[in-house]
Amino acid sequence: QVQLQESGPGLVKPSETLSLTCTVAGGPISNYCWSWIRQPPGKGPDWIANICDSGSTDHNPSLENRVTISVDTSKNQFSLRLRSVTAADTAVYHCGGAPNKYYFDHWGQGTLVTVSS
Amino acid sequence: DIVLTQSPATLSLSPGERATLSCRASQSVGYCLGWYQQKPGQAPRLLIYETSNRATGIPARFSGSGSGTDFTLTISSLEPEDFAVYYCQQCSNWPRTFGQGTKVEIK
Repeated sequence: QVQLQESGPGLVKPSETLSLTCTVAGGPISNYCWSWIRQPPGKGPDWIANICDSGSTDHNPSLENRVTISVDTSKNQFSLRLRSVTAADTAVYHCGGAPNKYYFDHWGQGTLVTVSS
Repeated sequence: DIVLTQSPATLSLSPGERATLSCRASQSVGYCLGWYQQKPGQAPRLLIYETSNRATGIPARFSGSGSGTDFTLTISSLEPEDFAVYYCQQCSNWPRTFGQGTKVEIK
């Protein structure tokens, strides 16, 4: 059974960079597409970006090129960097897995990231 | 972006009743639509993919239908554990988008 676990700071200052890592346990990181999805308090999920085992990436244009997603297959981890954060980036950040980029059938529990000085 | 509009925002029902949830897309997504269930403090769980296919381990009381711009999730007889928030998600276009959710609450 594949399990995902997010890790990273829970508090980030405005204008700084949010950095999160997702560790994939119980299965290889290959042969899947891995995503970051965030959920502002009380709202629906917003897809941020994904990376597939081919190395291809897709990003949500609404984040205006502030996003970098990367994978470290040797550690079975993938990561998110979101630059120049503002209070609007405050959300629960989930990592997720999707076969063929379509539906997210694996999710991490999520980690709350608050942007505040 | 494709906007998904879910209705109603809240559905108040009793255990054993039938729940019908709607998701309307701002443009056609074909059959590329899924449904998720989310309980407080938990991650969303995939229920239905490709409009009508149940994900692994999902009970038969959950069913999906529709095509193009109009989709429905039906829970045939609500169990106590089904009271939660439900989201639809389209996979036809980038970026992937979700609806704002329907909360199914106990009446």
